[in-house]
Amino acid sequence: DQQVKQNSPSLSVQEGRISILNCDYTNSMFDYFLWYKKYPAEGPTFLISISSIKDKNEDGRFTVFLNKSAKHLSLHIVPSQPGDSAVYFCAASDYRDDKIIFGKGTRLHILP
Amino acid sequence: DVKVTQSSRYLVKRTGEKVFLECVQDMDHENMFWYRQDPGLGLRLIYFSYDVKMKEKGDIPEGYSVSREKKERFSLILESASTNQTSMYLCASSLSTAYTEAFFGQGTRLTVV
Repeated sequence: DQQVKQNSPSLSVQEGRISILNCDYTNSMFDYFLWYKKYPAEGPTFLISISSIKDKNEDGRFTVFLNKSAKHLSLHIVPSQPGDSAVYFCAASDYRDDKIIFGKGTRLHILP
Repeated sequence: DVKVTQSSRYLVKRTGEKVFLECVQDMDHENMFWYRQDPGLGLRLIYFSYDVKMKEKGDIPEGYSVSREKKERFSLILESASTNQTSMYLCASSLSTAYTEAFFGQGTRLTVV
């Protein structure tokens, strides 16, 4: 059973517009959430994170929103740029151990 | 700058071979992880180690074992490689404090023929 779900395998967005990537989780013990970006043939790189005591965290063009009651988080990228085309993974961990559980990923295509 | 280094970018092995994938990190991280990435399945945790000689199974440990004899090095072992183990293997490390990210290596693309 999947604890971290990314239900959209792919998303296409026009350059300059907002990209919104969604993630749902089932384990209510998760208290830390992360987003990673991955290019082909490279390892994932950390983008942004949020702890469960917050509902929003911003870093430049990237904002993550957390809705604990809905067990849902989203990553907003504004404005979208060509270099943002990549696979984005949502991940979560719980304070009782340090394992990080990943979703299946969403492939983002930024269209010119 | 954290560096996680995987010994090979690409490997081709024969069915039945014993395969070793090596990973080294230089930031004195307590935690180390092995994941595999497959199309449509995302990143799945194979094994996790939180200290030297300590390990925990992840979601898909069958057919794999691990070794952590030194803090900086975490090895993934395919006891008898099979074609369904053809995949991208990713090593990561992190501190053992709460609310911290993991840092990944560049990945090893393993093909079992």
